Formats: sequence, structure tokens, C-alpha cells
Amino acid sequence: QQQVKQSPQSLIVQKGGISIINCAYENTAFDYFPWYQQFPGKGPALLIAIRPDVSEKKEGRFTISFNKSAKQFSLHIMDSQPGDSATYFCAVVSSNTGKLIFGQGTTLQVKP
Amino acid sequence: DAGVTQSPTHLIKTRGQHVTLRCSPISGHKSVSWYQQVLGQGPQFIFQYYEKEERGRGNFPDRFSARQFPNYSSELNVNALLLGDSALYLCASSLEVGSGTDTQYFGPGTRLTVL
Repeated sequence: QQQVKQSPQSLIVQKGGISIINCAYENTAFDYFPWYQQFPGKGPALLIAIRPDVSEKKEGRFTISFNKSAKQFSLHIMDSQPGDSATYFCAVVSSNTGKLIFGQGTTLQVKP
Repeated sequence: DAGVTQSPTHLIKTRGQHVTLRCSPISGHKSVSWYQQVLGQGPQFIFQYYEKEERGRGNFPDRFSARQFPNYSSELNVNALLLGDSALYLCASSLEVGSGTDTQYFGPGTRLTVL
């Protein structure tokens, strides 16, 4: 049972461009929506997260857009840099459990 | 401050063997969770422990077990290893559990290869 669907699977963006990754979830019980960044050989690191009472959250070049009615949220990376090249995972959390349910991941390559 | 540490970094086992993976959480964190990440996929939840008690279990067979010690460190045990158990095993710690917004911090993982 796939509770979180992430797209695209891979993404190539030119330096300075905008990277957009999308996620859709099925269960309305989720109430916390983080994005993780993972470099090869490393564990995932929290990038930015949003709660469903707001529609957008921005931290530096990273923005989450959240559409509660559509059960979708997305990550926007502005002015993408080669150092942003990594795998990005969306996740959902239910406050009852604290358990992270991850999407399948998006491999981002930013070309110089 | 040290982050989440895991040992060993890499491990090679053969089918049928048993393995123990270890995790030390960030100082002050009382909750530890274990995840399995197969190559090319997102991490899958295995266990969650808080104050030495199991708080959650994912859809994994009984060959997988874990425990948390009084110092909040944790062990993940896998018996009767199968080829399909080859994966990166991640440990994550958080201050509390069940708050939903409590950030989980991941360790670098243990790469298990089953031959």
C-alpha cells in the first residue's frame, strides 16, 4: 500500500533554474510533512517541513507548497546549485505515531 | 555535539546468519527509530522505541527484533538473513515520540550485504 507517491523519479536542472518535486498522499490523518535530502553514503537530513495549517513555507531557496484539499505538497528549489544535487524524499507523519512514511525519492542533478 | 552514530558502517553476511546493528542517539534524545532503505527506494519504517518500550512496528517479519537500553542506545537484530535483507539500515533519534512535529535525525546508516 503506497501511501505517498513522489514524482518525478529523476530531474535534471541547469544551474540557476527552479527544481520542482511533487508528492501526493492518501490518508488525511497525516499532519506533518517534511522533506529530506540525502547525499550518497549519508543518512537523510531534514531540509524543510510544513504543517497543514499553512499553505506555504519558505526557508532560503527552499519552499514547500501545500494543498490540503488535493492532498498534495511540493518542494521548490530556487536558483538551483550543483551542490543541491542529491536525492530528495518527501515524507508524511501522523502525530499519533511519529512514524515517517517516505516517498520513493527524486534524484536531482543540477548541471553547472 | 555528536549526531546519531551507527556501527558498524558496513557488514557482509551470508544467508541464514544473524546480525546485530547498533545505534547511539543524540544526547538527550529518548526515542530511536529504525528504517530499512533498499537501493533506489525511500526508507521503510521497522521499529520505534521510546523510553525502552516499543512504540511502533512496521510490516517486517518476526526475524527482525530490536531493543533500547537504559542509556537510550538501541540494537536491531535480524535472524536467518535472506538475500532480500541487503539494504542500508538507518537509525533516527528524536527528543520525544508521538508529537508528530518532533524532528527525526538520521545516522549515516549501516550497509548490510547478504551473500
